[in-house]
Amino acid sequence: NAGVTQTPKFQVLKTGQSMTLQCAQDMNHEYMSWYRQDPGMGLRLIHYSVGAGITDQGEVPNGYNVSRSTTEDFPLRLLSAAPSQTSVYFCASSYSGLAGRFGYEQYFGPGTRLTVT
Amino acid sequence: LAKTTQPISMDSYEGQEVNITCSHNNIATNDYITWYQQFPSQGPRFIIQGYKTKVTNEVASLFIPADRKSSTLSLPRVSLSDTAVYYCLVGDFDMDSSYKLIFGSGTRLLVRP
Repeated sequence: NAGVTQTPKFQVLKTGQSMTLQCAQDMNHEYMSWYRQDPGMGLRLIHYSVGAGITDQGEVPNGYNVSRSTTEDFPLRLLSAAPSQTSVYFCASSYSGLAGRFGYEQYFGPGTRLTVT
Repeated sequence: LAKTTQPISMDSYEGQEVNITCSHNNIATNDYITWYQQFPSQGPRFIIQGYKTKVTNEVASLFIPADRKSSTLSLPRVSLSDTAVYYCLVGDFDMDSSYKLIFGSGTRLLVRP
């Protein structure tokens, strides 16, 4: 199993550009999520999905869109990049959205480091 | 939402035992407490989780008192490679009834030779 994969590893965007961060998992997990991590900070939840066709907002959703057409893939779209979106983005997956309730582990990807100038 | 509080940083020396305590006053009755480890430029990695009393695996132990308002991650005989940020996670239901796992700011552990 490759686990959770993310592409690209690094990206530089100019203000106003759009792009899609890719995330895929091969563990047949229903739950997938996107986090952002700013320097010296913990992870903040952007969007999550409890299954194909179902997405919802996390703590910091503004400026980002997601969709989930398959169990495996959960892309994150930046609509119009802003310098405030400079961050490291992590995708994660788990057997269930109730990971903390039932003790399921979350698996994280290696991250995408995004710089917006 | 439930909130976790951990020390911002800790220093230790190789071979010592390190204990990192996390407080989580609002944890739901049935929820697990989970700890993750994160190295620079990597995603967080699961270390251990528990529901009550004590849990031990090959890398750490987790102590949870009866009131479950805190938990302590214990790393026996740390090495330089244990230098990382450690996060304590609990879950909670948001106002829209969606369940979310909460990351705090983490504890930055530095192990010195």
